Amino acid sequence: QQQVRQSSQSLTVWEGETAILNCSYENSAFDYFPWYQQFPGEGPALLIAIRSVSDKKEDGRFTIFFNKREKNLSLHIKDSQPGDSATYFCAASEGSSGNKLIFGIGTLLSVKP
Amino acid sequence: AQTIHQWPVAEIKAVGSPLSLGCTIKGKSSPNLYWYWQATGGTLQQLFYSITVGQVESVVQLNLSASRPKDDQFILSTEKLLLSHSGFYLCAWVKLNNQAPLFGEGTRLSVL
Repeated sequence: QQQVRQSSQSLTVWEGETAILNCSYENSAFDYFPWYQQFPGEGPALLIAIRSVSDKKEDGRFTIFFNKREKNLSLHIKDSQPGDSATYFCAASEGSSGNKLIFGIGTLLSVKP
Repeated sequence: AQTIHQWPVAEIKAVGSPLSLGCTIKGKSSPNLYWYWQATGGTLQQLFYSITVGQVESVVQLNLSASRPKDDQFILSTEKLLLSHSGFYLCAWVKLNNQAPLFGEGTRLSVL
C-alpha cells in the first residue's frame, strides 16, 4: 500500500500554462510535505515544502495547496517553462527531521514550447 | 560554505564483489545524514539514517550496511553485491533544523 500517492506518472502542458501535480497520503500523522524536482542523472533538489498547519505555501512560481481533511495536496507551477521539465516527487514525514521521509513515485512533467 | 560530496560518481561492479560508497559533508557539525536508493525511473527509498557519529538506524534491509566513522562522513557498503543493488545511491543531509533533507549528486551503480 503506497503511503504517498501521486496520481499521475506523467503530465504534459504547454509553455505558459499552469501545471498541477497532485499528491495524496494515507497516514494522518504525516505533518511535513516537501516537494523535490529531479533532472535526469542528478540528485533531487528541494523545491518547496509545507507543514500541515498551513493550507498554502508560495515561493515564486511554485505554490502548494494543502487539504488536511482530504489528506491531499497539489503543487502548482505557474507560467510553466520548458526548463521545468523534470520529475517531481511529493514526500511526507512525521516531523521535519527527515527521518523516515516517504516518497511518492514521482510525476514526469513535460513542458512543450 | 556548506557542501555535500559523494564518491565515486559511478561504479560498474561484478555480482558478488564488495562495495563501498562514501559521502562527506563540509561546513556543518553533527548533521543528520541519510542514504537513499533509487531504481532507474523509480521512487526514492530511504535505507539508513544517522544523527550522530557511530549511530546508524536501518530503515530498509537490502543486504547493505552503513557506518558513520566521523562526524562528516557516511559510508554505505556490502560484502557481496547482488544484481538488485543496481541503481542510483543518494546521500542526503539536513542543512537547517526542521528542514527537508538536501541531496548530493549521487552515485550510479551498475552490477553485472
